[in-house]
Amino acid sequence: SQTIHQWPATLVQPVGSPLSLECTVEGTSNPNLYWYRQAAGRGLQLLFYSVGIGQISSEVPQNLSASRPQDRQFILSSKKLLLSDSGFYLCAWARQGNVYGYTFGSGTRLTVV
Amino acid sequence: DAKTTQPPSMDCAEGRAANLPCNHSTISGNEYVYWYRQIHSQGPQYIIHGLKNNETNEMASLIITEDRKSSTLILPHATLRDTAVYYCIVRVDRDDKIIFGKGTRLHILP
Repeated sequence: SQTIHQWPATLVQPVGSPLSLECTVEGTSNPNLYWYRQAAGRGLQLLFYSVGIGQISSEVPQNLSASRPQDRQFILSSKKLLLSDSGFYLCAWARQGNVYGYTFGSGTRLTVV
Repeated sequence: DAKTTQPPSMDCAEGRAANLPCNHSTISGNEYVYWYRQIHSQGPQYIIHGLKNNETNEMASLIITEDRKSSTLILPHATLRDTAVYYCIVRVDRDDKIIFGKGTRLHILP
């Protein structure tokens, strides 16, 4: 069966510090991968998606970047965090062509102080 | 993308059927309707999807109108664990991106 792992679960980082959140998928190959963010009291915002290794598309310009160094690994990064980067970050995967198959990770709650 | 419109919140008594409406008047002929829900502090969870016909699974039923301009998600016997935000989504694009709207916050009342 397929599983998605996301870590850490919670993170408190000072303003200006770097960020690296990792997401890995097991049990499938060539998945579509997605990063979403949910700010407090807000909806889910799609940040990045990837349809293959090294292929990253950004949905909104921001202080964050994403990379896909391996087929089942998706990394969200920042060089210098802002207060506005605080939120609940969710990674998701789906088989290509199967939107109903979106599976989300357990999320990382990031607080920038 | 076809847009969806949902009420911001709804209440339902425990044990009763919860009927969550969704309008998608600009839906295209080949676009599916998907429903997800998000329980507090968790990632969204797929519930059901459909194209034209009504669908039922172990979680819910999906009723799509004949003109496909609206649909209703039915939770037949709501429990407190069904308290969540429910998202109605219309299929997006070739990259399979789901764009979540604001959804409906469903409160199940004991």
